[in-house]
Amino acid sequence: GENVEQHPSTLSVQEGDSAVIKCTYSDSASNYFPWYKQELGKGPQLIIDIRSNVGEKKDQRIAVTLNKTAKHFSLHITETQPEDSAVYFCAALGSGTSYGKLTFGQGTILTVHP
Amino acid sequence: NAGVTQTPKFQVLKTGQSMTLQCAQDMNHEYMSWYRQDPGMGLRLIHYSVGAGITDQGEVPNGYNVSRSTTEDFPLRLLSAAPSQTSVYFCASSYRGPPVINAYEQYFGPGTRLTVT
Repeated sequence: GENVEQHPSTLSVQEGDSAVIKCTYSDSASNYFPWYKQELGKGPQLIIDIRSNVGEKKDQRIAVTLNKTAKHFSLHITETQPEDSAVYFCAALGSGTSYGKLTFGQGTILTVHP
Repeated sequence: NAGVTQTPKFQVLKTGQSMTLQCAQDMNHEYMSWYRQDPGMGLRLIHYSVGAGITDQGEVPNGYNVSRSTTEDFPLRLLSAAPSQTSVYFCASSYRGPPVINAYEQYFGPGTRLTVT
């Protein structure tokens, strides 16, 4: 089945700095990679996703890049703000025995200091 | 729309007790799933359903049962609670799921925090 590794597990930045979270996946047939943000006491919420037919997608201050050859994808947050503080999860849609199932990374706790 | 709702928010059980975590969605989503969230382990899929009457196992199904008698509801049953089932449980739904390749956004409920002593 699919395996997703996420790094770092914690990330601390100053307000205005950029933050980068990286994920690798194992199933070369995976073709959908979403990123979720989870605020304290709430369920995860989709913030951006990318499909395998594009290498980069941007939405205001957040962007995701995908390298299918190396099987890794990254979340980039620019001009970070205190409200960006949360837990971020990457995920990959598996195939074969994991067909149609989202496999999540372990999560990154992002803290943005004012 | 209320989205995905879960009850209860908190629950404490003794080892061996049984209970049902409730999940409902009002978005007419076909696909529903249950995850558990443990520190450092992300979200792990327990069971999922691609429509009423159809369920399948996820990554960590042991000790849990599900059923899907209606499109709206997807309860998760703990048959005989164990301390290893102490976790935060999330229900999620999406418009379309397996076997469609392009998954759609999954909407998560607020979670149920379960402690088994």
